[in-house]
Order: sequence, then structure tokens, then C-alpha cells
Amino acid sequence: GNSVTQMEGPVTLSEEAFLTINCTYTATGYPSLFWYVQYPGEGLQLLLKATKADDKGSNKGFEATYRKETTSFHLEKGSVQVSDSAVYFCALYSGGYQKVTFGIGTKLQVIP
Amino acid sequence: DTAVSQTPKYLVTQMGNDKSIKCEQNLGHDTMYWYKQDSKKFLKIMFSYNNKELIINETVPNRFSPKSPDKAHLNLHINSLELGDSAVYFCASSQGRVGSPLHFGNGTRLTVT
Repeated sequence: GNSVTQMEGPVTLSEEAFLTINCTYTATGYPSLFWYVQYPGEGLQLLLKATKADDKGSNKGFEATYRKETTSFHLEKGSVQVSDSAVYFCALYSGGYQKVTFGIGTKLQVIP
Repeated sequence: DTAVSQTPKYLVTQMGNDKSIKCEQNLGHDTMYWYKQDSKKFLKIMFSYNNKELIINETVPNRFSPKSPDKAHLNLHINSLELGDSAVYFCASSQGRVGSPLHFGNGTRLTVT
């Protein structure tokens, strides 16, 4: 079956530091890959996505590249802000039963 | 003009009671979902409906029963609530195609005492 492995948090960074959150996946076929962000007290929001190999998704300074050869979709940001503090979920969507598989979520805390 | 709205936001109840959570989406999506998020933020899919038809039914106690009166609504009814049911329940919708993102509601925090 499909699975998503995501680094456990929490990750604590100082403002303006470089962020990487690792995500690897196992899936049949050609999944679409997503990063979602959850701010405190809210539902998940789509942050970025990539639908085929070598695609790069980007939004709000965050980027992730769909690497088929390493089955990875690592999230990066060059300079984090306090407002980026949230829980980040890697997810994959592989057709068929329209089921999205989520990673365990990585809590990011950015301190001033 | 909230895209996916669920009510109530908070639900506190005693063991053994029956409760319902309602969800509505105005995005015109064909597929709706219920997810359960535990205290460690782990997300587990419970059910999915496509055009009012149940397409995903994960290993969930049969005390949980979803109902979709039309494709814009998906409600969740829970019978005989237990302490372990305490969690945040999220409704979501999507166009149901590969590559389509999920749109989540803001969640219902259920506390069973």
C-alpha cells in the first residue's frame, strides 16, 4: 500500500534560518504529492503540490521538488519567519479510491 | 463564504451519548471526506463519499455512521460515545481527481468525559 514517511518534530529554528523537512514515499503508479500546513486551531491548507516527476511546487517562499529516483518530496524554505510556525504534513494522492495518505506531521516552531 | 464549514466547532459530551457533526461545502466538489486527528496530530481517514455514494470506509467502529443527503453535505453521527473518541474531526472535499487538493474545514474538537 501507499505510505508517507516524514521526519518527526518538533523542529525549532531561529528566524531567518534555512528549513528542510524531509519526506519520502512509497506508492504504486504515479502519485501526486502535496505539502499541507496546519496553523493552530485551524484545518489543513494546501501549501504546494507537484503532480509529476521533476515538478517543483512553490508557494510563500516554500519549495519542494518531486524526485522519483529517490521517492522524495522534501520541503525547503530559505528564510523562515515566526509566522511559519505550524504543523506541516506531506501527503500523496494516488488515484483509484481517491484516498490521500498523510505523513505524521512535523511541528515547526520559529523563535525570534 | 467559507468553502468547507463544519459545526459545531466544539463538542463536549458524556460517555454513552449520541452526537452529530455536520459538514457543508460550497465548492461544487463531488467528493467529501471525514478525517480524525488525534492528540499527536496524526490524521486518519474514516470515510469518503463521491456523489453521495460511500467509496472509502476504513476500519472504523460501526458506532460511526456517515450520511450524505446530497453531494454538498456529509454528516457524521456517533453513537454511544467513548472516551477514546475524543479527537478533532475534520471534514474535507475535493474534485476527486488525481492531483486535486483537499479543502478542509476548521475541525470539530470532540471531548468525551
